[in-house]
Amino acid sequence: AQTVTQSQPEMSVQEAETVTLSCTYDTSESDYYLFWYKQPPSRQMILVIRQEAYKQQNATENRFSVNFQKAAKSFSLKISDSQLGDAAMYFCAYRGYSGAGSYQLTFGKGTKLSVIP
Amino acid sequence: DSGVTQTPKHLITATGQRVTLRCSPRSGDLSVYWYQQSLDQGLQFLIQYYNGEERAKGNILERFSAQQFPDLHSELNLSSLELGDSALYFCASSVDAGGLAYEQYFGPGTRLTVT
Repeated sequence: AQTVTQSQPEMSVQEAETVTLSCTYDTSESDYYLFWYKQPPSRQMILVIRQEAYKQQNATENRFSVNFQKAAKSFSLKISDSQLGDAAMYFCAYRGYSGAGSYQLTFGKGTKLSVIP
Repeated sequence: DSGVTQTPKHLITATGQRVTLRCSPRSGDLSVYWYQQSLDQGLQFLIQYYNGEERAKGNILERFSAQQFPDLHSELNLSSLELGDSALYFCASSVDAGGLAYEQYFGPGTRLTVT
């Protein structure tokens, strides 16, 4: 079974600064997807960014980018120019094959990000 | 707004009772996934339905069951409720069972409190 580990339960960043959230995963698959989801106080799960394992280029979405190291099974999220609205729980998720033509998401425990004005 | 709707938003009930949570997927999405988010267990996959049929099972208790109806909405039934079942229950949907449609869209969740 796949496992996802987020080793930083909490982190903080000054507004306008850059922060990196860590994620490692364990899998024997070669083809999979990785995601970062954001959960603000409203509790809504919002997709931030996705990475296909077969792509060597790191994904970027505006101020959000990832550092994907496939051999090391590492998938970190970098948030640049942090804003107050970035304060939230961030979950790393792995999408792998679960049989019968189906795929499922496995989530890490999350990192709570605080943004200091 | 993801386009996935869940009702009710909040539910308070007593131990031993049975509740039903409802989810309507995004228009055109055939797959529905149920997740449980609790403080001690984090976010866990429960079960997936695709076009009315069960497709994958995760850490779902025998006291829990789900179904997907012909109009593609889904219901999660929780019975013989225990205090530990208190959690946020999410529904998510995607176009197909996985494959190329890798993105799952999450609903706002149902907060269940068992007293």
